[in-house]
Amino acid sequence: EAQVTQNPRYLITVTGKKLTVTCSQNMNHEYMSWYRQDPGLGLRQIYYSMNVEVTDKGDVPEGYKVSRKEKRNFPLILESPSPNQTSLYFCASRTSGRSEQFFGPGTRLTVL
Amino acid sequence: EDKVVQSPLSLVVHEGDTVTLNCSYEVTNFRSLLWYKQEKKAPTFLFMLTSSGIEKKSGRLSSILDKKELSSILNITATQTGDSAIYLCAVNYGGSQGNLIFGKGTKLSVKP
Repeated sequence: EAQVTQNPRYLITVTGKKLTVTCSQNMNHEYMSWYRQDPGLGLRQIYYSMNVEVTDKGDVPEGYKVSRKEKRNFPLILESPSPNQTSLYFCASRTSGRSEQFFGPGTRLTVL
Repeated sequence: EDKVVQSPLSLVVHEGDTVTLNCSYEVTNFRSLLWYKQEKKAPTFLFMLTSSGIEKKSGRLSSILDKKELSSILNITATQTGDSAIYLCAVNYGGSQGNLIFGKGTKLSVKP
C-alpha cells in the first residue's frame, strides 16, 4: 500500500530533551515536507526537500533540523524542544511535476 | 506576502443541506489550487484546479476556480454526517519548488 508513515504517533517529552520524528514514504517521491498544525494558525511548512541531500527552510524553521540521506526518509529533529513546539506534525510527499501532496498520519507532540 | 484565506471558519448545517466553502488567495506565480479534507487524522486530497471555469466533480462534491477573482469554491450537496471535517484550501505558488501555502480551513459540522 502506497503510504507515508510517521513515528512516533504520540510523544510527550520535556524541555531540552533531543528528539527525532521519523518519516518514510514508499512511493519513490522526490519531494518531502514537514508541517506543523496549530489551532487558529493552520498548516505551516517547517522544512522541505526536493530530493536526496537537498533541503530548504519553509515558513517556520526555527528550532528544527532535517536531513535527507535517502530518498524514502525525511526525519525531523528537535535538538532542544521547547513548549512552543507543542503541536501536531505532518510529513508529506509528492512526485515531481505534481502538486498534490500525500500526508502521513501525524505526530502529536507535547513538550512540558 | 502570500496568503490564502478561507471562509467561513466554521459552519453548522443539517443533513441534506447544500454548503459552499470559499477560498481566496494572493500569491506570486500561482500554479494550482488544491482542496483537502481533514477528519481526525491526516488531510486527504480532494481536487486540484489549474484552469479557470472548469468544474471538478466527485460525487456530491464539486469545485471551481476563478482566476480573475483569485478564488475558488467547494460545493457539497445533500450533506451527510460523514462530511463533517475541516476542509483545507492550499495554493501551489512560486517557482519550481511547488510548495503549498494553506488556508486556516473551514470546519464543517453536519447535524443529523
